[in-house]
Amino acid sequence: NAGVMQNPRHLVRRRGQEARLRCSPMKGHSHVYWYRQLPEEGLKFMVYLQKENIIDESGMPKERFSAEFPKEGPSILRIQQVVRGDSAAYFCASSPGGVVYEQYFGPGTRLTVT
Amino acid sequence: AQSVTQLDSQVPVFEEAPVELRCNYSSSVSVYLFWYVQYPNQGLQLLLKYLSGSTLVKGINGFEAEFNKSQTSFHLRKPSVHISDTAEYFCAVSEANAGNMLTFGGGTRLMVKP
Repeated sequence: NAGVMQNPRHLVRRRGQEARLRCSPMKGHSHVYWYRQLPEEGLKFMVYLQKENIIDESGMPKERFSAEFPKEGPSILRIQQVVRGDSAAYFCASSPGGVVYEQYFGPGTRLTVT
Repeated sequence: AQSVTQLDSQVPVFEEAPVELRCNYSSSVSVYLFWYVQYPNQGLQLLLKYLSGSTLVKGINGFEAEFNKSQTSFHLRKPSVHISDTAEYFCAVSEANAGNMLTFGGGTRLMVKP
């Protein structure tokens, strides 16, 4: 059973470009979470999604950031018009619908904005 | 809202010595507690978790943690560390009935020296 997969692992964008980060949850998992880790800091919750629904986006910046988890395909975290402060590691985690409280993390996408 | 404090940002220790990594949390409701380990440039791996029951929890790689409700603590311990334990350790909390969102501490860097 493959773990949580994220791609790309590294992403370099110039200021003003768009960044798209993808997350494929573990097989059988229908809950996806996105976290951001700034340099030398812990992880901060961004958004919690189930298939076709955003359950909690209280940690998402109000502008430029959006997330989706379509019926088919991976979850996408989209950052429009990136700025240098968006440089961070973005981690996705998934959990099975019936058993909550244990999240399995992907390897992360390291975004660098130049 | 809950918060997590990891009192030590770095803990240097010699190989085969015991270690304790401290974690305190604040919450007004019941919580679930987790310790994750992050090796350089990798995602997070679950070490152990406390959901209910016995307050002493044993995890992988010889780690254990004790939930102390009166002191709102969940300190991580290992009786004898190895060089390979060098990593960043994160304590995390999830509030019951709060949608499974994890709140992380700032992390503790464990540095095991030969």
